[in-house]
Amino acid sequence: GENVEQHPSTLSVQEGDSAVIKCTYSDSASNYFPWYKQELGKGSQLIIDIRSNVGEKKDQRIAVTLNKTAKHFSLHITETQPEDSAVYFCAARGGYSTLTFGKGTMLLVSP
Amino acid sequence: DAGVIQSPRHEVTEMGQEVTLRCKPISGHDYLFWYRQTMMRGLELLIYFNNNVPIDDSGMPEDRFSAKMPNASFSTLKIQPSEPRDSAVYFCASSLEFQPQHFGDGTRLSIL
Repeated sequence: GENVEQHPSTLSVQEGDSAVIKCTYSDSASNYFPWYKQELGKGSQLIIDIRSNVGEKKDQRIAVTLNKTAKHFSLHITETQPEDSAVYFCAARGGYSTLTFGKGTMLLVSP
Repeated sequence: DAGVIQSPRHEVTEMGQEVTLRCKPISGHDYLFWYRQTMMRGLELLIYFNNNVPIDDSGMPEDRFSAKMPNASFSTLKIQPSEPRDSAVYFCASSLEFQPQHFGDGTRLSIL
């Protein structure tokens, strides 16, 4: 089955800096890669996703890049703000299969 | 527009007791997923339903766990008998086919 590795497990940045979280996946058939943000005591919310026919997608301060050859994808957050502090999960899905999640990255943005 | 609704939000019970977690998916969604989240193992898929039918329950850890979806607007996850190692946050999510999953706020379960 699919295996998703996520790094780093924790990330501390100063407000205004950029943050990058990286994930690798094992199943070359995976074609959909969402990123979720989980705030304390809440469920995960989709923040951005990318499909395998696209190399990069951007939404304001958030961008995701995908390298299918290397089987890795990354989340980039620019101009970080304290409200960006949360746990971020990457996931991968292929065909009709379900999502496989990474173990999460705790992002702390200090004012 | 109501999201996925889970109850209870917190549950504390003694080992050996039966635990029932509840989920109301988003209206119109035909997929429903149950996940368990722990520090050690992250988010694990336990079981998912399509049109109220269980499709894959290979993630259910033991026979002590069971899930049902009697209709399109309600699902339960039961643990009987519960054990301390079942302590975790349990999430329910729903979606349309090939669309993003929407998560509930979870049930934090503590088994003493």
